[in-house]
Amino acid sequence: GAGVSQSPSNKVTEKGKDVELRCDPISGHTALYWYRQRLGQGLEFLIYFQGNSAPDKSGLPSDRFSAERTGESVSTLTIQRTQQEDSAVYLCASSLVGGLAPGELFFGEGSRLTVL
Amino acid sequence: GNSVTQMEGPVTLSEEAFLTINCTYTATGYPSLFWYVQYPGEGLQLLLKATKADDKGSNKGFEATYRKETTSFHLEKGSVQVSDSAVYFCALSDSGGGADGLTFGKGTHLIIQP
Repeated sequence: GAGVSQSPSNKVTEKGKDVELRCDPISGHTALYWYRQRLGQGLEFLIYFQGNSAPDKSGLPSDRFSAERTGESVSTLTIQRTQQEDSAVYLCASSLVGGLAPGELFFGEGSRLTVL
Repeated sequence: GNSVTQMEGPVTLSEEAFLTINCTYTATGYPSLFWYVQYPGEGLQLLLKATKADDKGSNKGFEATYRKETTSFHLEKGSVQVSDSAVYFCALSDSGGGADGLTFGKGTHLIIQP
């Protein structure tokens, strides 16, 4: 597709279960970002991938959160032992350049996670 | 650290009214400034940007001027339409060694009534 694709669009899970969210960036975009958007809050930076460099994990809120990216393609965000406070929309974005002065970010529609 | 503060919503206006959504920022270095828009059921998309002081970004009738002296990047439109109803996010990118990616404000929900 032409845009950033995320799946699932909606996920309802029970507390304590693991979830995996997927992001398929725009082809050729070297930079990929994950953000979290809690209800009524701004976007919270989670993790950033740039090419084959080590990812910037500085925004991950706990060790229950992890993310992987294979080369410059698909990324998965995994949340282990989910808690109710993990309920949010998880947004993925990609761009042509990253680092200190990113170009325009292109966002997916997000994955809405609800933890019961 | 970097931060972006924008006016709380929702903001409700009548069609053809004048719009201002305030945005102020704090940052190290010399940030680039952005407005993103999220229409209902869609992902965020870039509306406009400005990369240095006194630059004016514009798109779809919206404008914002990078004011370094007041650390502001207020969004304006002279005559809003129902189709402008969306959530608007102010954001910055710090080119002075800050975190990768963008720092976003909390978003302002704009509702335009016919």
